[in-house]
Amino acid sequence: GAGVSQSPSNKVTEKGKDVELRCDPISGHTALYWYRQSLGQGLEFLIYFQGNSAPDKSGLPSDRFSAERTGGSVSTLTIQRTQQEDSAVYLCASSSNTGASYNSPLHFGNGTRLTVT
Amino acid sequence: AQSVAQPEDQVNVAEGNPLTVKCTYSVSGNPYLFWYVQYPNRGLQFLLKYITGDNLVKGSYGFEAEFNKSQTSFHLKKPSALVSDSALYFCAARMDTGRRALTFGSGTRLQVQP
Repeated sequence: GAGVSQSPSNKVTEKGKDVELRCDPISGHTALYWYRQSLGQGLEFLIYFQGNSAPDKSGLPSDRFSAERTGGSVSTLTIQRTQQEDSAVYLCASSSNTGASYNSPLHFGNGTRLTVT
Repeated sequence: AQSVAQPEDQVNVAEGNPLTVKCTYSVSGNPYLFWYVQYPNRGLQFLLKYITGDNLVKGSYGFEAEFNKSQTSFHLKKPSALVSDSALYFCAARMDTGRRALTFGSGTRLQVQP
């Protein structure tokens, strides 16, 4: 079946512009995560959605970052007034919520490579 | 707070030799532990997970991982490395309660030489 889909795959923007990154999770997956991967770094947690619960936003680095998940499916990560340090690969992942969801593996998309010039 | 450490930025091994990629963790409560692999220009792929039970976990592509509670480690192993195993490997952890977001290590690049 289809995996996690992210678009665009690459985005180049000028400093100060806003960008929107999209994630289509696997159908039926109720949990959705955003991570950021900078060059030479590990994955940095940004935000987590689970069903209709309030999202865990504890990883968002500043108030320029926000995310929505409409209808429990597609999610959009928005970065306002982009800065050069926002350049990274933004990864989306989803997981199922059957049984003991703490042990459900995450299924990742291929990411969006954001370059802020 | 939970944290994951991968002490080696890169591991080099000859094809056919055994490989080990190290991971240590710090979480309160019982840990759920995972290994993921990332091939160039691709997203992360799940390899294996430890929940409870046997300390030796078997996963995809012939990989296995050994959970050691006293050393808080979860090292990834393979008896015989392949050139195609060359990739970036990430260890990840979460607690059994509370925050569900996985905490990832910084990654270890595995290079298998022919």
